[in-house]
Amino acid sequence: QSALTQPASVSGSPGQSITIPCTGTTSDVGGYNYVSWYQQHPGKAPKLMIYEVSNRPSGVSNRFSGSKSGNTASLTISGLQAEDEADYFCSSYTSITPYVFGTGTKVTVL
Amino acid sequence: QVQLVQSGGEVKKPGASVKVSCKASGYTFTKYAISWVRQAPGQGLEWMGWISVYSGNTNYAQKLQGRVTMTTDSSTSTVYMELRSLRSDDTAVYYCAREYGDFVGLDPWGQGTLVTVSS
Repeated sequence: QSALTQPASVSGSPGQSITIPCTGTTSDVGGYNYVSWYQQHPGKAPKLMIYEVSNRPSGVSNRFSGSKSGNTASLTISGLQAEDEADYFCSSYTSITPYVFGTGTKVTVL
Repeated sequence: QVQLVQSGGEVKKPGASVKVSCKASGYTFTKYAISWVRQAPGQGLEWMGWISVYSGNTNYAQKLQGRVTMTTDSSTSTVYMELRSLRSDDTAVYYCAREYGDFVGLDPWGQGTLVTVSS
């Protein structure tokens, strides 16, 4: 099962909005509404930010939102803040395994 | 609160085995499956496999089939991951993570266990 494709890096200024795409195939992202997103700060464990494409767990800021179109899912961070600087990984259910992760995107707040 | 606490770091020689533990607390242990995910230094996340704590059923990543075994001990609310025939490219931080719902996502995660394979 190949990893989902994400850009290596995305950057934005404080207060701006950024969007991270996550591209898969009809066997994963395009075939199921089981896309999740994780935030990982250096040296820390990942944290679930979005599940089932667009749902936020309790406690996650509403500045984080998710969507999907065809084989591409997206994470949008609105009102970018310094604390949002981290690595972000998407994940999807697949026809073969419960999870495949994206390649990861480093978000830099300028 | 829901918490997963993993065992400490390990240093192993090539060809050896390692067994990492993940102790759960704060919820009904048998109600949620556990996945194991690893992250090589400076790299992305790799899903290794999944175990239903309720039934003991497992689903392993194809590339690890035959080398990995996941088990549970309900008496201590602990899940174990054993990886055999270790190679240098198995050097990684190993995480356990609980299902948030049936395959919808993983949360929470353990703190991670660094396994270093070196001669």
